[in-house]
Amino acid sequence: GQNIDQPTEMTATEGAIVQINCTYQTSGFNGLFWYQQHAGEAPTFLSYNVLDGLEEKGRFSSFLSRSKGYSYLLLKELQMKDSASYLCAVRDSNYQLIWGAGTKLIIKP
Amino acid sequence: ETGVTQSPTHLIKTRGQQVTLRCSSQSGHNTVSWYQQALGQGPQFIFQYYREEENGRGNFPPRFSGLQFPNYSSELNVNALELDDSALYLCASSSGQGAYEQYFGPGTRLTVT
Repeated sequence: GQNIDQPTEMTATEGAIVQINCTYQTSGFNGLFWYQQHAGEAPTFLSYNVLDGLEEKGRFSSFLSRSKGYSYLLLKELQMKDSASYLCAVRDSNYQLIWGAGTKLIIKP
Repeated sequence: ETGVTQSPTHLIKTRGQQVTLRCSSQSGHNTVSWYQQALGQGPQFIFQYYREEENGRGNFPPRFSGLQFPNYSSELNVNALELDDSALYLCASSSGQGAYEQYFGPGTRLTVT
């Protein structure tokens, strides 16, 4: 079966750095996505990785290792508005997105 | 450029009823995907439409059906509603199956009582 695992909840302090991990087992691989979702709202696109390595985008970076079925999202200089759920999703061989359950990130002052 | 819109925002239905949810894709996008997101879970892929044809389907029963119109807007129909169908239904549009970015609408919150 297809499976994406990420921690249920993480807590971090404002101004700090946090790393959210994601491991996956899917039927084929056509890219890995990270989305941010605030409570009651739609997901918004953060990053896309299809090749191994690190993609940096401002305060957010995403890393991919296809051989290990592993990715992480790194958030730097945390702000209170970063409190949200972070969803990892993999596009499989049928170009369907398989989603993790999301990691709820709580930022404390 | 108009973003993805969905209607209605909220809906309450009774078990056994039928419901139709609507989605207008972003300008220039010809692909629409529908997702069901239960509380505290990630979205689950229902199906995708590309140029008016169903182009992929997740593990949902046939009572979940859809349409895409020539202007690329889309409908999701659910028959014989069950309590477990209560969820946020998200529509996302993109410029093709292989496009790396999908743009999500605000969702329709469906409650089945």
